[in-house]
Parts: sequence; structure tokens; C-alpha cells
Amino acid sequence: GESVGLHLPTLSVQEGDNSIINCAYSNSASDYFIWYKQESGKGPQFIIDIRSNMDKRQGQRVTVLLNKTVKHLSLQIAATQPGDSAVYFCAESGNTGKLIFGQGTTLQVKP
Amino acid sequence: KAGVTQTPRYLIKTRGQQVTLSCSPISGHRSVSWYQQTPGQGLQFLFEYFSETQRNKGNFPGRFSGRQFSNSRSEMNVSTLELGDSALYLCASSLTGMNEKLFFGSGTQLSVL
Repeated sequence: GESVGLHLPTLSVQEGDNSIINCAYSNSASDYFIWYKQESGKGPQFIIDIRSNMDKRQGQRVTVLLNKTVKHLSLQIAATQPGDSAVYFCAESGNTGKLIFGQGTTLQVKP
Repeated sequence: KAGVTQTPRYLIKTRGQQVTLSCSPISGHRSVSWYQQTPGQGLQFLFEYFSETQRNKGNFPGRFSGRQFSNSRSEMNVSTLELGDSALYLCASSLTGMNEKLFFGSGTQLSVL
């Protein structure tokens, strides 16, 4: 079946450092990938997305990298701030259109 | 533009009861998806509705059902509640529901005692 996994359940970084959150997916037919951030008591909030015809996309302080050869997705956050502390989810979808989510990585930012 | 609104925010029910959760999507969005979020299982897809029709369904028992109205508002119903149904139920809306970002509400926290 479809599954999306993250390599680490928790990532702890120092404020100001760069963060890298990784995600592996199993469905080679997936053509749309997305990252969400979820803070305590809130619903997931969109960060950035990428389609399979791209391998890199940049936003404000965030970059998503897609490696289709090894079915790997990563989210890079530059100059991590305390407000970045949250749970981060990757998700993918293919021809069914429905988003399948990974388990989530908790990012802890140390002051 | 108002975001996705879910009501109620919190619910406490007992085993065997049934519950109905409501979701109002962003204006103009025709697709509404429902997810169950638990600490152990993450976000699990329940179903997706588009133009009042269920278009996608996840691997949940028939006790979980939903519907969508002509104004795109959606409800989900869980009958014969079990302890394991305790979870955060999230609703998300999008324009078409096909390979695009979803906008989530804050969820309904359901506790089954």
C-alpha cells in the first residue's frame, strides 16, 4: 500500500542553525508532494509543495528537494527560529488525488 | 477570506453513541476531505467529497460516513462509538481536491469514554 515515512521522529536544533527534515515515500507513481507544519492545538498549515517535474523549489526561508530516483523528499529551513518549533508532515499524492501523510517529525528549536 | 471552520471544537461522548461533526470549507472550494489524527497513527485519510459525491475513501469501517451539501459544507458521522475513535478529526478544503494543497481547519477533538 501507499506509505510515506520520515526518518526521525524528533529533531533538535540550535536557534539560527539550518534544519533538514527528511521523508521517504514508496509510491513511485506519486507526482505531487507537500510539507505541512502543525503547531499544538491547530490544524496543519501549508509550507511548500513541489511537483514531480521539479527537483527543487524555494520559498521564504524554506527549500524542498525531491529525489525521485531514491524516492526521497526533504525540507530545509534556513536560520531556524523558535517559532519554527512544531510537528512537520510530508505528504504525497498520485493519480487518486488524495494526500497520504507521513508520521511527522517534531522540530525543537533551542534558544 | 474566512478559513475552514469546524464545529464543535471539543466533544465528549460515551461508547455506543453516535456523533456528527461539521465543516464549512473556504468559499469557492468544492472539495472537502476528512482526516483522523491520533498520536500513534498520524493523519489517516477518511474520505473526500466533491460536488456532493464521495470521490475517495480511506480504510475505515462503515461506522464512519459523511456527506456534502450543495453549498459544499460537509458533515461526518461516526456511529456506535468505540474508545479507539478518540482522536482529532480534521477537515480540509481545496478547489478541486486533485493534487493540490489542502487548507485545514483546527479540528474537532473527540473523546470517547
